Amino acid sequence: KAGVTQTPRYLIKTRGQQVTLSCSPISGHRSVSWYQQTPGQGLQFLFEYFSETQRNKGNFPGRFSGRQFSNSRSEMNVSTLELGDSALYLCASSLSSSSGANVLTFGAGSRLTVL
Amino acid sequence: AQTVTQSQPEMSVQEAETVTLSCTYDTSESDYYLFWYKQPPSRQMILVIRQEAYKQQNATENRFSVNFQKAAKSFSLKISDSQLGDAAMYFCAYRSRGAGSYQLTFGKGTKLSVIP
Repeated sequence: KAGVTQTPRYLIKTRGQQVTLSCSPISGHRSVSWYQQTPGQGLQFLFEYFSETQRNKGNFPGRFSGRQFSNSRSEMNVSTLELGDSALYLCASSLSSSSGANVLTFGAGSRLTVL
Repeated sequence: AQTVTQSQPEMSVQEAETVTLSCTYDTSESDYYLFWYKQPPSRQMILVIRQEAYKQQNATENRFSVNFQKAAKSFSLKISDSQLGDAAMYFCAYRSRGAGSYQLTFGKGTKLSVIP
């Protein structure tokens, strides 16, 4: 069973540009979450999607957006990039059921460097 | 809002020895989940163990076990017979049981080194 796939794995952008990151969840998983990981702030929740609807959002500016498609694949977009957006962006997927802990399974991440 | 604190930024352990990583959390909720995730240098975050707050029995997964003290809001991870492959960042995480969201609140992490 394939894991959570994130593309691209590495990318370099310059300030002011925008970037789109992609996440393909594990087959059958309908919930997709995004996290930003930096040395200073640690792991911070960006947003979560379920059945194409955003059901939770972290405390990030509106430059950060996302969406989920009917096949559960998700993308996140960051516009007008700032140096502080340099980070590892992690995607995680989960089954969504009424029982169980519904553990998040993470992808390997997309390393964004903003110059 | 919930917070998770890992007070040990770095720890080291001799191979084959036992090490305990600490985690405390703050919440007003009574029902929740707690997790330990491991992030090796390859960066892929891997679930180590999970604990459901309403279960008094401490979770165990092979060489990994937890000491869950609900009243003290403490959730430590014990790694027995440490192996070189255990070297990684370890993150403690909290999740509400309700609210229809799987959002995790993470601690800052503990970097574990294993000495051969």
